[in-house]
Amino acid sequence: EIVLTQSPTTMAASPGEKVTLTCRASSSVSYMHWYQQRSGTSPKLWIYETSKLASGVPNRFSGSGSGTSYSLTINSMETEDAATYYCQQGSSYPPTFGAGTKLELK
Amino acid sequence: QVTLKESGPGILQPSQTLSLTCTFSGFSLSTYGMGVGWIRQPSGKGLEWLANIWWDDDKYYNPSLKNRLTISKDTSNNQAFLKITNVDTADTATYYCARIGGYYHWFAYWGQGTLVTVSS
Repeated sequence: EIVLTQSPTTMAASPGEKVTLTCRASSSVSYMHWYQQRSGTSPKLWIYETSKLASGVPNRFSGSGSGTSYSLTINSMETEDAATYYCQQGSSYPPTFGAGTKLELK
Repeated sequence: QVTLKESGPGILQPSQTLSLTCTFSGFSLSTYGMGVGWIRQPSGKGLEWLANIWWDDDKYYNPSLKNRLTISKDTSNNQAFLKITNVDTADTATYYCARIGGYYHWFAYWGQGTLVTVSS
């Protein structure tokens, strides 16, 4: 099973600040996917295949990485971006999720 | 428009069997390449993948729970099902079904989730 380690666990960012969330895999994966989950709601696909934005995702978000190291970047933090972000790999069974990064507004 | 909605018993007792239903629209599980997965989330915790079922009835299970899980589908009624046997309090969680997108198995669309509480 591929273990995904997300960092940081929690962070706070000010409006306009650049934010980078990291996901590291215990073995190489072909792609990484990301989900946003706001409090009390179900997860939403946010980025798939490492760098492709899901429908409706603002272009201040971007994804990058390869092998065992991936990241999600917010160019300029906005209020609505406060949420928990999970990475997920589907390159090999079983699909696994990271523990999440909780992003708060400073 | 793709939608999914989970339904379940709400509460059940330890050692019972949990039966969950996912009713979906906007796609068919008889279409080549389509798949549905189940994922759960204990309150305040992270996401755990449970099982996937594919258009050709291929099935995959989380190895840590495999002996207790059974996934199935009813293509004509646009439903997928998950059964978990011998539940205990550790199975208390919100259970989600999701449509799988693409070759690298991301979860493209999620239901609203159904909360299941295991308590005596």
